[in-house]
Amino acid sequence: EAQVTQNPRYLITVTGKKLTVTCSQNMNHEYMSWYRQDPGLGLRQIYYSMNVEVTDKGDVPEGYKVSRKEKRNFPLILESPSPNQTSLYFCASSVKAGNIQYFGAGTRLSVL
Amino acid sequence: AQSVTQLDSQVPVFEEAPVELRCNYSSSVSVYLFWYVQYPNQGLQLLLKYLSGSTLVKGINGFEAEFNKSQTSFHLRKPSVHISDTAEYFCAVIGRDDKIIFGKGTRLHILP
Repeated sequence: EAQVTQNPRYLITVTGKKLTVTCSQNMNHEYMSWYRQDPGLGLRQIYYSMNVEVTDKGDVPEGYKVSRKEKRNFPLILESPSPNQTSLYFCASSVKAGNIQYFGAGTRLSVL
Repeated sequence: AQSVTQLDSQVPVFEEAPVELRCNYSSSVSVYLFWYVQYPNQGLQLLLKYLSGSTLVKGINGFEAEFNKSQTSFHLRKPSVHISDTAEYFCAVIGRDDKIIFGKGTRLHILP
């Protein structure tokens, strides 16, 4: 089954404790992206990757890092989480940039 | 720069009544247009898309949308809603830079 898998689905952590949210897709898609969803703000893009070893900042990249060492994986790293990063995060992938995106089920993060 | 405006943050409608969710975009170039749906506690799913051709696009679950270039609109419609249509709906645009921009979303509340 074609899918985008995020883990964990729910995470509660404390300020400053590094965390990683994993994202994996099994569709051989070139393009992958991370978004955060906040009430009244819709989806905002954090980082995206056009292909392996190619990543770029989206609209709200501060406080986040990503890597794309393999085509299928695109982890989101919060080196020192802060409460303003409490949000719902989505990973998405598409065949290439500009195509229909397929979304993971989301990761709800709370930073205390 | 491109932008997407969803004019209503929430839309209440009675079951079996028709609904229209409004979306306007701004772009100086040709765009691709999408509607995504997010059911409670799930990721986003593609509802329908406009790439080219007929301006009336039919999607899943009885939804359709009409691309109006002169009014730069892509409103979503359904002639008769069901309780299962309760969700948040996102309009999105992709321009020549292949960057996807999402609207802030419209919550559809179905009243019994």
